[in-house]
Amino acid sequence: DTEVTQTPKHLVMGMTNKKSLKCEQHMGHRAMYWYKQKAKKPPELMFVYSYEKLSINESVPSRFSPECPNSSLLNLHLHALQPEDSALYLCASSLSGDTQYFGPGTRLTVL
Amino acid sequence: GENVEQHPSTLSVQEGDSAVIKCTYSDSASNYFPWYKQELGKRPQLIIDIRSNVGEKKDQRIAVTLNKTAKHFSLHITETQPEDSAVYFCAARGSNTGKLIFGQGTTLQVKP
Repeated sequence: DTEVTQTPKHLVMGMTNKKSLKCEQHMGHRAMYWYKQKAKKPPELMFVYSYEKLSINESVPSRFSPECPNSSLLNLHLHALQPEDSALYLCASSLSGDTQYFGPGTRLTVL
Repeated sequence: GENVEQHPSTLSVQEGDSAVIKCTYSDSASNYFPWYKQELGKRPQLIIDIRSNVGEKKDQRIAVTLNKTAKHFSLHITETQPEDSAVYFCAARGSNTGKLIFGQGTTLQVKP
C-alpha cells in the first residue's frame, strides 16, 4: 500500500456536533501530519506526530483534538466547531520528516 | 521567521509553451525543497523535489533549479499541456522546526 487514505471524504456538521476524521497509512512512515486548507491557499500545518508522539501543535484551538492510536493511524476529533473551520483537512505522512505524501482530504462544512 | 515567497500568483500560457514559477526562501539553512501540484478538488501531489546539495534536477518535462546563494529555486515545465493546469505550491523545509513552509501558490492555466 503506497497511499495515505482519509475518511470520510465529505462531512457536514453542526456547531454542537462531535465528529472524527481518520487517516491511515501502511508505508511504515513515522511522522504524520494534519493540515487545514482553504480554497486556493497553501496547506496550513496544525499538528505533527513523530513516532506516535505529538511533536508540534501550531497553537490550534482546543476544539480540534488529535490522536495517534498507533503508527499507522491518525485521528482528528472535532467538537463545537465554528463555520470558519469549514475547509479541506489534509493528512500527510513522511518516512524521514522531509518528503510528505498527502491523503485525499476530508471536505468539512460546519453549519 | 521562516518564509517562502512564490511568484507569479497566476500564469497563463499556450499549450506547448514553457512555464516558470519562482520561489525565494528566507532560512539559509533550509535543505529540502519540494514542489506540489494540486488539481481542483484533489490532494497536493509531489511532482519533484530537490535537496541543497544539488543544483538542478529533471524529470521528463519538469525541472527544478536551486540557487543556494540567492536562496532561490524555480520550477520549469516545458511543452505544457492542458492537463498541467493546476495550482502549484513550492515549499522549503525549515531547519529549526523541520516543518514545510509553503509558498502562496501559483495557478497555472494552459490554453489549448
